[in-house]
Amino acid sequence: DIQMTQSPSSLSASVGDRVTITCRASQTISSYLNWYQQKPGKAPKLLISAAFSLQSGVPSRFSGSASGTDFTLAIASLQPEDFATYYCQQSYSIPFTFGPGTKVDIK
Amino acid sequence: QVQLVQSGAEVKKPGASVKVSCKASGYTFTGYYMHWVRRAPGQGLEWMGRINPNSGGTNYAQNFQDRVTMTRDTSINTAYMELSSLRSDDTAVYYCARGDASDYWGQGTLVTVSS
Repeated sequence: DIQMTQSPSSLSASVGDRVTITCRASQTISSYLNWYQQKPGKAPKLLISAAFSLQSGVPSRFSGSASGTDFTLAIASLQPEDFATYYCQQSYSIPFTFGPGTKVDIK
Repeated sequence: QVQLVQSGAEVKKPGASVKVSCKASGYTFTGYYMHWVRRAPGQGLEWMGRINPNSGGTNYAQNFQDRVTMTRDTSINTAYMELSSLRSDDTAVYYCARGDASDYWGQGTLVTVSS
């Protein structure tokens, strides 16, 4: 199975900060990397698919990048509604493993 | 609009089985894989498996291989996930989600396993 790691596991930030979350795959996954946001009591929401592709309706302050097996989710200017837990997931090979998550909370 | 509507919360005893349904609307049901993901209290998301609604073919995560069965009924655009031999650590919210990059999710079904 492909293992996904994320860093940091949690971070505290202020509104307006630039935030980056890194995800690393244990082997090549090409660009089959998705990013999800989950808020308490809600279903996950797809933000970015295929490493770079912003989903319709997702604010442009979210972006994805990749370098080899390292992937990054960036939030350009953190907004109050962005405080949540973020997960990466590889959809390259079965099982479609998730990273352990990064919790973003208010400083 | 695309909707995935799941069945309601369940309380089960250890050793029992649970079957969660996911009714799809607003798109061609047979055109997308349906995935099942769970989140246990205090834990992250865990991928359980997927079903091809067109063929009925399935892929399961190794952790659930012996206990999970995913099926579908194309006449009513509904997918099902049945988990057997329930344990307390199966207590979780179970989600269905459309597609390999899951762009639509059900609202979640809380399954509580308790004696």
